[in-house]
Parts: sequence; structure tokens; C-alpha cells
Amino acid sequence: DSGVTQTPKHLITATGQRVTLRCSPRSGDLSVYWYQQSLDQGLQFLIQYYNGEERAKGNILERFSAQQFPDLHSELNLSSLELGDSALYFCASTLGGGLVYGYTFGSGTRLTVV
Amino acid sequence: AQKITQTQPGMFVQEKEAVTLDCTYDTSDPSYGLFWYKQPSSGEMIFLIYQGSYDQQNATEGRYSLNFQKARKSANLVISASQLGDSAMYFCAMRSGNEKLTFGTGTRLTIIP
Repeated sequence: DSGVTQTPKHLITATGQRVTLRCSPRSGDLSVYWYQQSLDQGLQFLIQYYNGEERAKGNILERFSAQQFPDLHSELNLSSLELGDSALYFCASTLGGGLVYGYTFGSGTRLTVV
Repeated sequence: AQKITQTQPGMFVQEKEAVTLDCTYDTSDPSYGLFWYKQPSSGEMIFLIYQGSYDQQNATEGRYSLNFQKARKSANLVISASQLGDSAMYFCAMRSGNEKLTFGTGTRLTIIP
């Protein structure tokens, strides 16, 4: 157990639907990152939150949104799903604040859009 | 912009042999960190080793070592005495500038008995 918890582990949904992926960071970590891993795009950075605030944005579609709550857990919302959104979605956490610490990854949520 | 290049899509290595996985990087930031992650078929990302840009010595973690050549901007992973359980995808990643990690495309390593 890495200490980063992602739920659900697997998700199968239809095109056009909306899903929410959840991430609980390792205890004490303030930064949460979301990554998308697909066969054609590889590992793509989506978005980062630090202590509740958005810190950096990557290749995140407008149909996707995220937030980090006061208890530091984060949710990634994917709407109007398309077949191409099928991927493994990772959450990672680190202490953050500009310090060099390891990034701990969760086990991922495998999303399949049918 | 930061970029990580892994030029070996796949490698086959005999069990118990050493293997080197190549990684080159590009950044204009003088302060950066380099990471290697292992992703087995089960999908999770497992941290292997870290090298800071100002570290004087190459990082080592058990059977893993990082051959860091700063002038050549390379950070190759060396696995000594490979085992069947080492079969997996291996990703090189870099943190520079902001805190996000930029990943390479990965190398699929297969250990042959």
C-alpha cells in the first residue's frame, strides 16, 4: 500500500456520461497531481492542487475538472465522456511547497468508456 | 520546456544479466530531479530511484543504480542481476521548474529465463 488511495479501481461507463474519480493523498502530503495514461498519449499531466488551490494545469480538457477539499482529498470529474477518454487515471501526492520529495502514486482508476 | 526521451521501446534480457535503460532529458532549469518508475502489468507506478541535479554521486537503491551524466543530459537506469520479476514498463521522469513530473514514453523490459 503506497499510502495514496484511489477509488474506484475500475469504472465502465457509456459515452456521454459523467464520472467522478477520488484520490486520498498520503498522510501529510499537501500536493495532489492527476495524470492520464493512455496507449496513444502516454502519461500526461492533467492538473495539480496544493493545499486546496489549483497550482498547475496541463493537458486537461474543458470537459474535465478537479478540486481538492479541506481534508486534502481530491476529485477528478470527467463529463460528456468519449471513447477516447478510456485510460488509466493516476493520482500522485507529495509534500509540495517547492521541496524535493518523492512522488507517491496511487494504484490508478481504469476507466473504460463504451 | 521539459522533455524526457526514452529511445528503447522494448528490451529482452537474459535472467541474471545486468541491463541499462536509456533516458535523456532536456531542461533549461539548473535545478531539477530525475526519477525512475516501474509499472508492472498490474498497473501501479512504483518508485525506484531519484537523482537530484546537484547530487555529486550517482544514486543507488539495492539492485538499481542511476548513471547520471549531467553534461550529456542522460540518466540511465542500471539494473544488476536481473530477475523475472523485473519484467515491466520502466518510465524515466523529470521534475524541473514547477513541481509536476514529465514522463518519457517508457521502455518495456522482458526478462527471459
